[in-house]
Amino acid sequence: GEDVEQSLFLSVREGDSSVINCTYTDSSSTYLYWYKQEPGAGLQLLTYIFSNMDMKQDQRLTVLLNKKDKHLSLRIADTQTGDSAIYFCAEIFTGNQFYFGTGTSLTVIP
Amino acid sequence: GAVVSQHPSRVICKSGTSVKIECRSLDFQATTMFWYRQFPKQSLMLMATSNEGSKATYEQGVEKDKFLINHASLTLSTLTVTSAHPEDSSFYICSATRGGPLPHGYTFGSGTRLTVV
Repeated sequence: GEDVEQSLFLSVREGDSSVINCTYTDSSSTYLYWYKQEPGAGLQLLTYIFSNMDMKQDQRLTVLLNKKDKHLSLRIADTQTGDSAIYFCAEIFTGNQFYFGTGTSLTVIP
Repeated sequence: GAVVSQHPSRVICKSGTSVKIECRSLDFQATTMFWYRQFPKQSLMLMATSNEGSKATYEQGVEKDKFLINHASLTLSTLTVTSAHPEDSSFYICSATRGGPLPHGYTFGSGTRLTVV
């Protein structure tokens, strides 16, 4: 099966930028996504990028995709305490099956 | 926007009993629903895919007799954990799609925390 890896933890100070990284093994996915999960809650779609794009910016969020290295990142500018959550990257393949990363727990220090 | 309601949000049951979790698409017809399981501090693992009116497709290693999935209508899918045991304690999340082109169309429920005592 597909392996999607993320660092488990990230701590940043409020106001700094956060960069959450994701590596994957199967590059045949069509879209890659970033989801946010707050404690005890479901998943909230943050943003996505089409697999033939290199970058996508959406307000404070910037997604970078390096297909050659099979590396995806999410940059959150001006990180706020409300950004503290677990962030999952995910790929979608033919058959519309998602593969989720292992999740990165972001802690924002006031 | 598309909303998926999952109920209950939390449930505690005794070992050996069965628990039913509902997943409803509130403002769209969901041709396909997905059920995921999430262990503490781990990612979501797909358990099964269900299409309205047909049998669910289970992922390898998921016991279909233990995790009964029913997708009787275009707005409702249920997951029943039968003869629950403490090891079934987990966070279960459903997702629904109305089909159509990517990237949109997938909405996740808020999850159900199951604790078996």
